[in-house]
Amino acid sequence: NAGVMQNPRHLVRRRGQEARLRCSPVKGHSHVYWYRQLPEEGLKFMVYLQKENIIDESGMPKERFSAEFPKEGPSILRIQQVVRGDSAAYFCASSPYVFGELFFGEGSRLTVL
Amino acid sequence: EDQVTQSPEALRLQEGESSSLNCSYTVSGLRGLFWYRQDPGKGPEFLFTLYSAGEEKEKERLKATLTKKESFLHITAPKPEDSATYLCAVQAAQGGSEKLVFGKGTKLTVNP
Repeated sequence: NAGVMQNPRHLVRRRGQEARLRCSPVKGHSHVYWYRQLPEEGLKFMVYLQKENIIDESGMPKERFSAEFPKEGPSILRIQQVVRGDSAAYFCASSPYVFGELFFGEGSRLTVL
Repeated sequence: EDQVTQSPEALRLQEGESSSLNCSYTVSGLRGLFWYRQDPGKGPEFLFTLYSAGEEKEKERLKATLTKKESFLHITAPKPEDSATYLCAVQAAQGGSEKLVFGKGTKLTVNP
């Protein structure tokens, strides 16, 4: 059974470019979460999605960041006009239930030059 | 606001030297408390879920316990391969709070 798949694993962007991070949840999981992790910091919640719906985006910056989980295909976290402060590891996690443990991917590491 | 505080931030042990990691939390109704292990450059790996005070769970050299205000991760006779960052997280029981709130973690180093 494949776990949560994230790509790309590493992404380098220049300031002002766009970054798109993709996440395929565990097969059968309909709940997807995105977290951001900075060096020496814990995991910070960004957004929680179910198929075609954003359930909780309280951790997402109001500008430049967006997320989707379409009916078909992976979940996408999109960062427009990236700045150096966006450099971080972005983790996707999925779950088959509303409550319970999350299963994480290996992360996408974004570096903004 | 739900909060999780982990201590110590870093811990160095000799192989075989047992110790405990602490996770203090404040949450408006605890649905579950979770322990994860994270290796450098990797995603968090699920270890345990605890649901109610008094509950304990074990896995190899690790044992997690839960009270109404904190959780402990006890490591018995650790080995170098137990070196990792251990993360604690809570999930609130009320609707609209399904997300896990994480602490900053405890970085454990076990020297041979």
